[in-house]
Amino acid sequence: IVLTQSPDTLSLSPGERATLSCRASQSIDSFYLAWYQQTPGQTPRLLISGASSRATGIPDRFSGSGSGTDFTLTISRLEPEDFAVYYCQHYGMARFTFGPGTKVEIK
Amino acid sequence: EVQLVESGGGLVQPGRSLRLSCAASGFTFDNYAMNWVRQAPGKGLEWVSGISWNSISREYADSVQGRFTISRDNAKNSVYLQMNSLREEDTALYYCVRVFGGTHFDYWGQGTLVTVSS
Repeated sequence: IVLTQSPDTLSLSPGERATLSCRASQSIDSFYLAWYQQTPGQTPRLLISGASSRATGIPDRFSGSGSGTDFTLTISRLEPEDFAVYYCQHYGMARFTFGPGTKVEIK
Repeated sequence: EVQLVESGGGLVQPGRSLRLSCAASGFTFDNYAMNWVRQAPGKGLEWVSGISWNSISREYADSVQGRFTISRDNAKNSVYLQMNSLREEDTALYYCVRVFGGTHFDYWGQGTLVTVSS
């Protein structure tokens, strides 16, 4: 399974809505799709597992959706701390795969 | 509080070996599979290797298969990554991660930097 993320970079202003895409090279079970956030100089943080379940402590402005080959991470209203790189990740066939990431930058 | 603390990174010449360690605390270590994920400077995340709670299952990325060996010692709450025949492209920050539900990583260490250069 190859994961493709788009766009590479998303330039938005605080308060705007961010929509990030993760596409799998073949249909996957959404149970095995997760999203992570990595701010500059920091360790990645789990945001979403099972395509749509927010991890503990993750604000409800973050939401995940999708099925089959197309998955979406939505940030409803960008806060200053949300400007970061976001990765999708899949587990299958005893291995983990990450997408290349989408950078959300301040416009 | 869950903590994962990596150690063992450093500067090493191509072809040499290095052993990374990860000390875990704050949870029942032998209930969880553990993995290593790396990140080359300025690049994305790459899964490297994983080991089941009982060490029966060990998996490797194609890029490290045959050169790296993962192991764990549940009595010491530790997981290890033996890296042999290192290449310049192995240069990265290596994260120790806990697997939750067999599907994703819920806790990450701060990472240990491995630099392979002559």
